[in-house]
Amino acid sequence: QTVVTQEPSLTVSPGGTVILTCASSTGAVTSDYYPNWVQQKPGQAPRALIYSTTSRQSWTPVRFSGSLLGGKAALTLSGVQPEDEAEYYCLLYYGGAWVFGGGTKLTVL
Amino acid sequence: QPQLQESGPGLVKPSETLSLTCTVSGGSISSSSYYWGWFRQPPGKELEWLAYIFYSGGTFYNPSLKSRVTISVDTSKNQFSLRLTAVTAADTAVYYCARTYAYGYDLSWGQGTLVTVSS
Repeated sequence: QTVVTQEPSLTVSPGGTVILTCASSTGAVTSDYYPNWVQQKPGQAPRALIYSTTSRQSWTPVRFSGSLLGGKAALTLSGVQPEDEAEYYCLLYYGGAWVFGGGTKLTVL
Repeated sequence: QPQLQESGPGLVKPSETLSLTCTVSGGSISSSSYYWGWFRQPPGKELEWLAYIFYSGGTFYNPSLKSRVTISVDTSKNQFSLRLTAVTAADTAVYYCARTYAYGYDLSWGQGTLVTVSS
């Protein structure tokens, strides 16, 4: 069974920069996995942020950016705002099937 | 942009079939190149992708659930549906319907509906 791994939790100060990563049990994550990043706040539906590794959704603030980093997918938040405190999930494509990571709880403190 | 609203019973008995419907408003389910899909999230746990159906009818399923899940479209009602058979307590979750173009472009979810499996 394919496992997608994320940091369980990260803490960042307001105005700071933080990088969240997403690894695959099958090996290096490449653009062929079309990495997506999703934000979810407590009690709310998920909201998509990034698709196909680097592309922002039309509603995604520019402080969110996606990339590949050291064999993993990465989500960088620059100039973090208090409202960015949330759970972040990556989503990888495996030839017709999609698998979520376990999520990273981002605390802004 | 099409909007989505889930509906269905909030309580299902073990071993029975869970059936949910997603109503699409603000656009035709058959006139765009969207994938229509279902996701779920057990209480306190991560999201899980269940299935997609392409507007033209092709289907894609989570391999771990493939034998129990069916996704279908009713173009006359502008709705798509999820059936999950032989449910257990492990299927208790908030179920979300969603729409997306290929590879996550314009991915958007409904508000979700809680389904509890219990006798």
